[in-house]
Amino acid sequence: QSVLTQPPSVSGAPGQRVTISCTGTSSNIGANYDVHWYQQLPGTAPKLLIYADTYRPSGIPDRFSGSKSGTSASLAITGLQAEDEAHYYCQSYDSSLSGSVFGGGTKLTVL
Amino acid sequence: QVQLVQSGAEEKKPGSSVKVSCKASGGTFSHYVITWVRQAPGQGLEWMGGIIPISGTPRYGQKFQGRARITADESTTTAYLELSSLRSDDTAIYYCARGGVSGSHLGWFGAWGQGTLVTVSS
Repeated sequence: QSVLTQPPSVSGAPGQRVTISCTGTSSNIGANYDVHWYQQLPGTAPKLLIYADTYRPSGIPDRFSGSKSGTSASLAITGLQAEDEAHYYCQSYDSSLSGSVFGGGTKLTVL
Repeated sequence: QVQLVQSGAEEKKPGSSVKVSCKASGGTFSHYVITWVRQAPGQGLEWMGGIIPISGTPRYGQKFQGRARITADESTTTAYLELSSLRSDDTAIYYCARGGVSGSHLGWFGAWGQGTLVTVSS
């Protein structure tokens, strides 16, 4: 059972927009700790996609965007492409656990 | 650009220990947290703990307190994860990753190692 809750799967057709939610509690996202997102392609290490709620590292397309409100955060992907098919994970800090926490991950399928 | 290179795959017996290394290059080592994250087969990411090399004091996830030991050698820019009393459910890929905020355990992980598969089986 992960501290941050994500939907197990989402799907969308090429060109469409999808969102992935990440729900926390008052000791992590609700305490205004930053949320970060990672993309993991099969057989590879996770890759940072969004940091500090809304910022994209260099080289990440602007099709990817992040937002946060209250105890939840979201990752939005517009203009879906086949290469976006991957697992996506959110991460934050939890004050009651004094450490980082991850969501359980969401598998994105491009139809 | 920071690069993290981890040691190779390990096969261990239940009850034994394993030590995985993570060699950093291309960036500042001492002031950024090196964290360890593991991923069991077909499962999600699990934070184990981390260390800011210059401070030398590691933090651990509650599940790993007393069984994991994280260290860092500034002279060789290498971090280590040692996990003892191995069980079959410790079978996983173990990743090291570097934090993005100087001097803080909070924040994102911008650079990742390639992962080390540890298999625990009798």
